[in-house]
Amino acid sequence: QEQLVESGGGVVQPGRSLRLSCSASGFTFSSYVMHWVRQAPGKGLEWVAVISYDGNNKYYAESVKGRFTISRDNSKNTLYLRMNSLRTEDTAVYYCAKGGSKEEHFYYYMDVWGKGTTVTVSS
Amino acid sequence: DIQMTQSPSTLSASVGDRVTITCRASQSVSSWLAWYQQKPGKAPKLLIYDASSLQSGVPSRFSGSGSGTEFTLTISSLQPDDFATYYCQRYNNYPWTFGQGTKVEIK
Repeated sequence: QEQLVESGGGVVQPGRSLRLSCSASGFTFSSYVMHWVRQAPGKGLEWVAVISYDGNNKYYAESVKGRFTISRDNSKNTLYLRMNSLRTEDTAVYYCAKGGSKEEHFYYYMDVWGKGTTVTVSS
Repeated sequence: DIQMTQSPSTLSASVGDRVTITCRASQSVSSWLAWYQQKPGKAPKLLIYDASSLQSGVPSRFSGSGSGTEFTLTISSLQPDDFATYYCQRYNNYPWTFGQGTKVEIK
């Protein structure tokens, strides 16, 4: 079955960096748009970033633009999120989610989600 | 950016009740709207896409309707497993935006 498994979360000091990974299985990873979505403690869902199936198109939420970088390695079926200049407000559970295929519209819903990895930014 | 507003924020209901949650968009999103269910400590789960299409494996007591700026998620007969938080999400263009969530509690 389709599965996403996030890793790389942890406790980090403000201003430091962290890289999250999301390993995909059960579907042709290289054919799908992928997203990162986060959820701060006790808060709602916030979309963070998206990358096209081939990695050529990337978009970010204003709150992370210039600090976070989404990327993918289709040979490894893995999605990444590089987070620089971390702030306390970046503390959240980070989910990766599967979007539409390359045959579908880029703007698509998210039908498969990982269980999430927790990032805590604190001094 | 288009804002998504859900109402109510919290809903108290009993098993067997018919429950309706509303999601309003600040501008038209056509039918590019999804509904997700999230239980504490778990990932969101897709229930409805394209405003009214039921995701495979989701019980038929869930239904969605609406287009443009006003949408509803209806649970026809609330079951114990349905107590959770529900989010709408638009995906007509960048950025993907979620509503603030509606928590369905046991009355």
